[in-house]
Amino acid sequence: DGGITQSPKYLFRKEGQNVTLSCEQNLNHDAMYWYRQDPGQGLRLIYYSQIVNDFQKGDIAEGYSVSREKKESFPLTVTSAQKNPTAFYLCASSLYGDSGANVLTFGAGSRLTVL
Amino acid sequence: AQTVTQSQPEMSVQEAETVTLSCTYDTSESDYYLFWYKQPPSRQMILVIRQEAYKQQNATENRFSVNFQKAAKSFSLKISDSQLGDAAMYFCAYRSVINAGGTSYGKLTFGQGTILTVHP
Repeated sequence: DGGITQSPKYLFRKEGQNVTLSCEQNLNHDAMYWYRQDPGQGLRLIYYSQIVNDFQKGDIAEGYSVSREKKESFPLTVTSAQKNPTAFYLCASSLYGDSGANVLTFGAGSRLTVL
Repeated sequence: AQTVTQSQPEMSVQEAETVTLSCTYDTSESDYYLFWYKQPPSRQMILVIRQEAYKQQNATENRFSVNFQKAAKSFSLKISDSQLGDAAMYFCAYRSVINAGGTSYGKLTFGQGTILTVHP
């Protein structure tokens, strides 16, 4: 079945450590996104990528980095510069283009806790 | 920048009854898309319904329908014949049609969410 796989589901990190969250999709979607979810704040966009080797900052990119070396993969690194990294992280993808069918498909998420 | 506001942090409904979740948004754009997403306890985001702003007719998907009031910038979700499986966090979201740099992307702006409880 086509979909988005995020791993790990749960991750614990010590302060000062970088961690990388994996996101893989087999939907042949061009665009991929990372969202952060905090209680009472909905989802906020961290980074997005429309094509391979290209990505743009979202609304809260500070302390995060991404890469898009393959169409299927869009890993997110939470760096030590991120002041409050404990959150639920959602990866999503969509077809390139602006048709009404261009809706986001989401992964199951990764929960990051900083100890 | 667009903003999306869901003024009801929590709502509850009895099984088989109808409930309406509110959403308002602020934009200067004339064409855009609006969505309702559902996030059950599994935390998997699921698309419930979408509405294109240029379409006057309100979207409907089985028991789910919207009341889209473009002039008032309101986009409420009505759930009829509520079921226990409808219990979830519901998010309203906005997406621009305007391209950025000649390309299109699906960036969504989300509201804060409404937790819906369904009582048996």
